[in-house]
Formats: sequence, structure tokens, C-alpha cells
Amino acid sequence: EPEVTQTPSHQVTQMGQEVILRCVPISNHLYFYWYRQILGQKVEFLVSFYNNEISEKSEIFDDQFSVERPDGSNFTLKIRSTKLEDSAMYFCASSEALAGRTEAFFGQGTRLTVV
Amino acid sequence: QKEVEQNSGPLSVPEGAIASLNCTYSDRGSQSFFWYRQYSGKSPELIMFIYSNGDKEDGRFTAQLNKASQYVSLLIRDSQPSDSATYLCAVNRWGSQGNLIFGKGTKLSVKP
Repeated sequence: EPEVTQTPSHQVTQMGQEVILRCVPISNHLYFYWYRQILGQKVEFLVSFYNNEISEKSEIFDDQFSVERPDGSNFTLKIRSTKLEDSAMYFCASSEALAGRTEAFFGQGTRLTVV
Repeated sequence: QKEVEQNSGPLSVPEGAIASLNCTYSDRGSQSFFWYRQYSGKSPELIMFIYSNGDKEDGRFTAQLNKASQYVSLLIRDSQPSDSATYLCAVNRWGSQGNLIFGKGTKLSVKP
């Protein structure tokens, strides 16, 4: 069964460092998303991406965040200068059509720990 | 502030019983409604979605939507210990580009 794949599963980084979280969406999906979940908190939307551009972003997705689809298969989230409060589980998701009108499939997540 | 509210639980039911999970949402422009299951440390997994008022059944699961009351629920019949997880309610607004707004989740424990 096709699945969304995320790497690494766990990333530890020092405050102020840049990190790149990687995702391989399901191959025939056109819409891509990043969500995050701080430990014990709710899942929060960060950004949606379609046709090589951001379609929607939340207030959390400020200038330190960026997304890119560098090739035909990968979808990345870059955090430029990490803060302690960026520690969270980051989920990538993809869908055939807009999530909300069809199922969004979530990857297994990358646990980011900023020390 | 667009919010989705759920009772955090834990909700404890005996094996074989019906578990009832509830969710309210504040934005009347919400268009579609989702129930996800999340095991501890894992990613959300879609159980079912509902768009129209009324009931929608899928196996042991029934979603109920009442847009007038801004209320959506999930019933799990014949609950099994493997159903023990956190259940997340998510809503999507009309015009949103895939932005799902999640509740904090209700933790369900099914006792053998």
C-alpha cells in the first residue's frame, strides 16, 4: 500500500541551527502539507503546497520556515534558525485532491528535538 | 478564533460496549468533518469523514453530524482493546486550501 515516507524519524539539533525535514509523498498525489504536534498538544496546520507553490499557510509558518519540492518526489520543510519551541513531531501529508474533500495521508512523522 | 473542542478524557469503556466521542466546532463555515485515530507516538490515521447532516456508517464506526448545533460525533460499536487510542476530530472550512483544524483529541481506553 502506498505511503508517505518521512526522514529522519528523529532529529536532534542545537538552537539556532538549520534543519531540513524530508518527505516523499504518495506518487500520484498533487497536494502536500506539513503539520506539527507539540508533545501533548493538538495537531496544527503549517502549510499546504500545490503546483509548486504555497496555497495556504498558518500564523505559525513564519519567515523561519520554508518548503520546497526540489524534484519530482521529495517535499521538504526547512527551519532556518531553530528555537527550543520548535521541538515537536512534524507530519507530512499528501492527498490526491484538496484535503477536506478527500483523505489526507499522513507520514509517520519526524520528531524534532531542539536543545 | 476557529476552534474545535473535544473532551480530553480519558473515556473508559468495557470491551464490546459502544464508545461515544463528541466534538464541537465554532466556525459555521466548516464544510467537512473528519475523525482520525492516533496511537501514542504515531501519526493520525483517518477513520472516516462526513460532509452532510445525519449519520454515516462504516463498519463498526458511525459518524453523526449536526451543523445547526455545530456538533459531530463518532460512535464505535463493539469496542475492542485495539481501539484504545486518541481520537482526533478535524474540520475543514469552505475555501480552505487543505487546512485541517484539529481538536486536541479524546483518549479512549477499552478494557478487556
